[in-house]
Amino acid sequence: DARVTQTPRHKVTEMGQEVTMRCQPILGHNTVFWYRQTMMQGLELLAYFRNRAPLDDSGMPKDRFSAEMPDATLATLKIQPSEPRDSAVYFCASAPLGYGYTFGSGTRLTVV
Amino acid sequence: GIQVEQSPPDLILQEGANSTLRCNFSDSVNNLQWFHQNPWGQLINLFYIPSGTKQNGRLSATTVATERYSLLYISSSQTTDSGVYFCAVGSGNTPLVFGKGTRLSVIA
Repeated sequence: DARVTQTPRHKVTEMGQEVTMRCQPILGHNTVFWYRQTMMQGLELLAYFRNRAPLDDSGMPKDRFSAEMPDATLATLKIQPSEPRDSAVYFCASAPLGYGYTFGSGTRLTVV
Repeated sequence: GIQVEQSPPDLILQEGANSTLRCNFSDSVNNLQWFHQNPWGQLINLFYIPSGTKQNGRLSATTVATERYSLLYISSSQTTDSGVYFCAVGSGNTPLVFGKGTRLSVIA
């Protein structure tokens, strides 16, 4: 089965450090999403790309978060500097246009 | 933006029982998916069902788009069905908006 691959699976870092999360979408899926899951907010959209072009990143704190898709096989989400309130599970998902999403296993981030 | 409400928020079942989970949404949609988040945190796509009825084993789903709701049926529940079930909807080409989920516990 085709799958979305996220790395790392777990990350513990100190406040102020830079964190980079990576996602390899399913080959042929032209849309890639970043979601964040917390107990308080549930699953919320941070950003998404279609054909590698960013379409919406209004869900991200712009001063510290950035999302890029340098090529069709890699999407990245970067936090600099990280804060304890960024602790969450970050999911990447990919989809072909007009079809269902496939989610990766997530990156569990803990900022201490 | 579109609102998604799921009910019930929590459900406890004896193994072998049947259940129905409901998802109401506030606007027309052309994308609706049901996901199961297992106890390890993985989000598994169960159904892509913007309209109509689909079945996969003991699970089935029905979406009545004109009345803005979808139902997920679980028959003969098993302990492995435990977890959180999410409904997510989208309109046009906009990303999915998730409900808060139904937490299901199946006890032996």
